[in-house]
Amino acid sequence: EAQVTQNPRYLITVTGKKLTVTCSQNMNHEYMSWYRQDPGLGLRQIYYSMNVEVTDKGDVPEGYKVSRKEKRNFPLILESPSPNQTSLYFCASSPTSGRAYEQYFGPGTRLTVT
Amino acid sequence: GQSLEQPSEVTAVEGAIVQINCTYQTSGFYGLSWYQQHDGGAPTFLSYNALDGLEETGRFSSFLSRSDSYGYLLLQELQMKDSASYFCAVRESDYGQNFVFGPGTRLSVLP
Repeated sequence: EAQVTQNPRYLITVTGKKLTVTCSQNMNHEYMSWYRQDPGLGLRQIYYSMNVEVTDKGDVPEGYKVSRKEKRNFPLILESPSPNQTSLYFCASSPTSGRAYEQYFGPGTRLTVT
Repeated sequence: GQSLEQPSEVTAVEGAIVQINCTYQTSGFYGLSWYQQHDGGAPTFLSYNALDGLEETGRFSSFLSRSDSYGYLLLQELQMKDSASYFCAVRESDYGQNFVFGPGTRLSVLP
């Protein structure tokens, strides 16, 4: 089944404790992105990647890091989480072959930072 | 700055037609997408317009006017399962993957 998976689905952590949210897709997509979703704000793009070792900042990259060492994986790293990073996070992927606008989203990761 | 505007809520009855508008102001424009998101779920892709005009996909249609920086999603023959949030999103570059999403419109379909 074609899908985007994220782990963990739920995470409660404390301020300053480094964490990684994993994202993997099995559709051989070149493009991948991370978003955060907060009430009333829609989805805001954190980082995106156009292929292995090619990443760029979205609208809200502060406090986040990403890496793309393999085509299928695109982890999101919070080196020192803070309470304002409490949010619902989505990973997404899309192909480049003429349908780069069609993003496939993972199930989401709900993060709480206390 | 960059911004997309959508109505926050829309209510309609089963079988009716509803239109969800989206106006945008972004640094670049290479297409307008629409996504549906049910409570507790992930966004799913509905439609995309790169050029002016109407795109039809079953009960859903999407329209774009680039000169007016405006688009809409039209849902026909509404069903209870259409109750969800709908987001418009602008793709800001042709070579990159930077998207700007609107705040979302919550559609409630009443029996």
